[in-house]
Amino acid sequence: NAGVTQTPKFRILKIGQSMTLQCAQDMNHNYMYWYRQDPGMGLKLIYYSVGAGITDKGEVPNGYNVSRSTTEDFPLRLELAAPSQTSVYFCASRSGRAQSQETQYFGPGTRLLVL
Amino acid sequence: AQSVTQPDIHITVSEGASLELRCNYSYGATPYLFWYVQSPGQGLQLLLKYFSGDTLVQGIKGFEAEFKRSQSSFNLRKPSVHWSDAAEYFCAVGNGNKLVFGAGTILRVKS
Repeated sequence: NAGVTQTPKFRILKIGQSMTLQCAQDMNHNYMYWYRQDPGMGLKLIYYSVGAGITDKGEVPNGYNVSRSTTEDFPLRLELAAPSQTSVYFCASRSGRAQSQETQYFGPGTRLLVL
Repeated sequence: AQSVTQPDIHITVSEGASLELRCNYSYGATPYLFWYVQSPGQGLQLLLKYFSGDTLVQGIKGFEAEFKRSQSSFNLRKPSVHWSDAAEYFCAVGNGNKLVFGAGTILRVKS
């Protein structure tokens, strides 16, 4: 059972380039999340999804796009990379089927550097 | 609006000493509260959570936390710290869908 997986682990982008951060979970979770983590700022929610085909904005969605075509996958797209998007990105998921399932499970993160 | 405050950015304790990490939250209803730990270069791991019931919650690795509604606090404690506890600790409050995280507290353990 792999849990939440993220690829790549590390990437350097030039300003204006685009890329997709991949996230997959094998726990059949309904809810999936993307966060960014900046030093001293904790984690900020970028986008989330409550099921396949349903996504919604979080606290800091500008500059990002998401899609959720399957239960397992929740990719995050950066269209025009900017230095302000240098961060560590975490994907998370949770079941959503019962109150006791409120725990979010996190992937190992993707470290992105935009130069 | 929901918010979480972790007043201490860094804390240094000696190995074997007790630990308390502070967390204060602002939330309009009964909160779901969490403590996560992040080791360097790793993702977040859940230490413990509070939904309802007993206000003293036991977690993994010997950690516990106490929910105090009157003080809007959910402080994390450990009686005796081990060098392997050095990490960053995040408190979070949720409404059943989204989590709001504090800025984190970095724990350093000195021998």
